[in-house]
Amino acid sequence: DSGVTQTPKHLITATGQRVTLRCSPRSGDLSVYWYQQSLDQGLQFLIQYYNGEERAKGNILERFSAQQFPDLHSELNLSSLELGDSALYFCASSVESNTGNTIYFGEGSWLTVV
Amino acid sequence: DQQVKQNSPSLSVQEGRISILNCDYTNSMFDYFLWYKKYPAEGPTFLISISSIKDKNEDGRFTVFLNKSAKHLSLHIVPSQPGDSAVYFCAVKETGRRALTFGSGTRLQVQP
Repeated sequence: DSGVTQTPKHLITATGQRVTLRCSPRSGDLSVYWYQQSLDQGLQFLIQYYNGEERAKGNILERFSAQQFPDLHSELNLSSLELGDSALYFCASSVESNTGNTIYFGEGSWLTVV
Repeated sequence: DQQVKQNSPSLSVQEGRISILNCDYTNSMFDYFLWYKKYPAEGPTFLISISSIKDKNEDGRFTVFLNKSAKHLSLHIVPSQPGDSAVYFCAVKETGRRALTFGSGTRLQVQP
């Protein structure tokens, strides 16, 4: 158990719909990251938040957005869903310090778009 | 443009033998290198890491080697065990950034 909690674990929705994935980071971790893993690709970095503010952006589509709340939990919003958005979405968290670059992952949220 | 490549999608080894997983990168600004292991339906789990100022880091059966001149990273598992069967991702961190960039993964199968 990494200490990172993601909900829901599985989600099936139709094209054009909008979903929200939720993440609770490890206790004490200020940084939250979102990654996407598609069937034919490795882990793709989407976005990072640190203490409520966007810190870094990766390959995140404009249809996707994220935020981190004052209690440090984060949500990833996926809208106008397409079949190709079906993937496993991971949340991860880490401490922010000059040492220790380990990022801890949740178990992921399986999204199936039909 | 892939900055991190794992050119072998799969690898099969016999139990007790050495497993060698490889990773190549292109950016000399990467300062930290990690290996993650992933079982089906689970999140990636941190395995071992190495800073760019080192060329080797060992933790039990796992050793990571870094060849900066060749921009090459490898993970050695010896002896390999059936429980090591998983997908292994190499990940890199760029100086000044926290987010990791992952390779596409190598599926390791350790045969009993």
